[in-house]
Amino acid sequence: GNSVTQMEGPVTLSEEAFLTINCTYTATGYPSLFWYVQYPGEGLQLLLKATKADDKGSNKGFEATYRKETTSFHLEKGSVQVSDSAVYFCALISSSDYKLSFGAGTTVTVRA
Amino acid sequence: DAGITQSPRYKITETGRQVTLMCHQTWSHSYMFWYRQDLGHGLRLIYYSAAADITDKGEVPDGYVVSRSKTENFPLTLESATRSQTSVYFCASSLSSGGYSGELFFGEGSRLTVL
Repeated sequence: GNSVTQMEGPVTLSEEAFLTINCTYTATGYPSLFWYVQYPGEGLQLLLKATKADDKGSNKGFEATYRKETTSFHLEKGSVQVSDSAVYFCALISSSDYKLSFGAGTTVTVRA
Repeated sequence: DAGITQSPRYKITETGRQVTLMCHQTWSHSYMFWYRQDLGHGLRLIYYSAAADITDKGEVPDGYVVSRSKTENFPLTLESATRSQTSVYFCASSLSSGGYSGELFFGEGSRLTVL
């Protein structure tokens, strides 16, 4: 079956620090990969996505590259802000169905 | 307002009572989903629907019932609430045209406490 494993948190950083959240996956076929973000008190929203190997998704200064050889989709941001404090979820959808599988989520807190 | 709305946002109930969480979307999306969010588990799919009158079980369907008589509504019912169903519930929808893109649009969540 499909599964997503992401690094456990919580992660606490200072403003302007570099952020990496690791995500690896197991899937049949050729999955599409996603990062969702959940700001405090809100529902999830799509942050970025990549649909095939070597694609790089990017948005709001965040980037993630679809690495088929390592089955990974790590999220990075070079200089975080307090407003980036949120829970980040890695997710995938396989080519065989239309149900997203989510990782457990990583809580990120950025301090001024 | 356009979008996806859930109600109630907060609910406290007692063990054994029936509870219904409502979800309404204004985009006419074909696909709708119910997830529960629990610490350490992320989001787990309860039920989903590909269209009106078409529903199917997800990862954790036991104790829940859904219906979808209209495209825009997808209520989730806990027939006899248990403490293990204390959670935050999220409804989501997605576009249907061109196949499923994987982009879900989420409601703000319903926090349910079962005493």
